[in-house]
Amino acid sequence: DAGVIQSPRHEVTEMGQEVTLRCKPISGHNSLFWYRQTMMRGLELLIYFNNNVPIDDSGMPEDRFSAKMPNASFSTLKIQPSEPRDSAVYFCASSTGLAGAGNTQYFGPGTRLTVL
Amino acid sequence: DAKTTQPNSMESNEEEPVHLPCNHSTISGTDYIHWYRQLPSQGPEYVIHGLTSNVNNRMASLAIAEDRKSSTLILHRATLRDAAVYYCIRTSGNTPLVFGKGTRLSVIA
Repeated sequence: DAGVIQSPRHEVTEMGQEVTLRCKPISGHNSLFWYRQTMMRGLELLIYFNNNVPIDDSGMPEDRFSAKMPNASFSTLKIQPSEPRDSAVYFCASSTGLAGAGNTQYFGPGTRLTVL
Repeated sequence: DAKTTQPNSMESNEEEPVHLPCNHSTISGTDYIHWYRQLPSQGPEYVIHGLTSNVNNRMASLAIAEDRKSSTLILHRATLRDAAVYYCIRTSGNTPLVFGKGTRLSVIA
């Protein structure tokens, strides 16, 4: 299996522009997670889905952030409008269930976003 | 809510064993202990996890204290490629991974 696939790997954009990050989970996995990592705040869980349904989006920083999972093999994280403080590495992860039940999460390589 | 406590950093010599401690004194009976690591410029990767008994896999061993209030990740022979941030994560109920600050392991040649 190719693992979790994220695109683009790097994104540089200007403040105010819309940014869309993409994730393809491992085939057969029914849980998908979006994380953000910065030096100041570390790794933060933004939102997670189970069977394509958003379960908990309490980590989404504000209304400028939205995430969708239209089918089992694709998810997007959108920022509109983007701001410089959104600069971070965004990771997508997938699993066959939640870690609380002993399942393993597999992470993608991340998208490094820079907002100028 | 800091569910686990880890040292900020540790140092090891190459080819020596490394014991990374983690304190989870408020752990409940059904909580799992997970260890992940993050190598430079990569996403986190799974190392090992356990519930009550000690666990071994090809990467490491996990020793869980009898009262489950602490655990130790053991790398049997550290290599330069093991230099990373190691996260000890306790999960409660049906929840995803929530990361703390972890322990930054440096390996000296």
